[in-house]
Amino acid sequence: AQKITQTQPGMFVQEKEAVTLDCTYDTSDPSYGLFWYKQPSSGEMIFLIYQGSYDQQNATEGRYSLNFQKARKSANLVISASQLGDSAMYFCAMARTGTASKLTFGTGTRLQVTL
Amino acid sequence: DTAVSQTPKYLVTQMGNDKSIKCEQNLGHDTMYWYKQDSKKFLKIMFSYNNKELIINETVPNRFSPKSPDKAHLNLHINSLELGDSAVYFCASSQGGTLGETQYFGPGTRLLVL
Repeated sequence: AQKITQTQPGMFVQEKEAVTLDCTYDTSDPSYGLFWYKQPSSGEMIFLIYQGSYDQQNATEGRYSLNFQKARKSANLVISASQLGDSAMYFCAMARTGTASKLTFGTGTRLQVTL
Repeated sequence: DTAVSQTPKYLVTQMGNDKSIKCEQNLGHDTMYWYKQDSKKFLKIMFSYNNKELIINETVPNRFSPKSPDKAHLNLHINSLELGDSAVYFCASSQGGTLGETQYFGPGTRLLVL
């Protein structure tokens, strides 16, 4: 069974600052992917970034980077230079590598960016 | 040029009714999913289809029946709606390969059962 833990129900960050959203995971699968999704107040689920369990480099996508520490089973999302539009719920998720593999989600972190 | 679309976006109905939610993807993906997001924002898989074949069927009441007429469409039919079915239902799709199974989500259907 897979489990995702997000221990920060809410976070505040000032505009232009960097913020780290925590995510730890547990799985017995040897190969898996880790994902972050953003859900703004409008409700849609927006894919942000992916990290494969065998990837040597940490994933980056623009202002988003994933701090992957396999031994610690953590996959924290780092948002640099926060913008007001980053205010949203952020979900960490994982899936076993393979066809039609379900995503297991964490409970989410609500990020509020302030002026 | 919408990638994953769902209709309707909002659905308000009475207990006991039967309703359907439709999903279409134009990404050429082989795999489609239904997820349910409850009032506490928790997301959970319901079903997954790969090339019209049911792959994942989580512990979901059999009042819920998915149907995939082709690999670009996955519909969800719900019989005898109950108050507890009120939630946001998301459709998603992925390529179906073995690497980087990124799932792309539709806009969600907000179901309210009265």
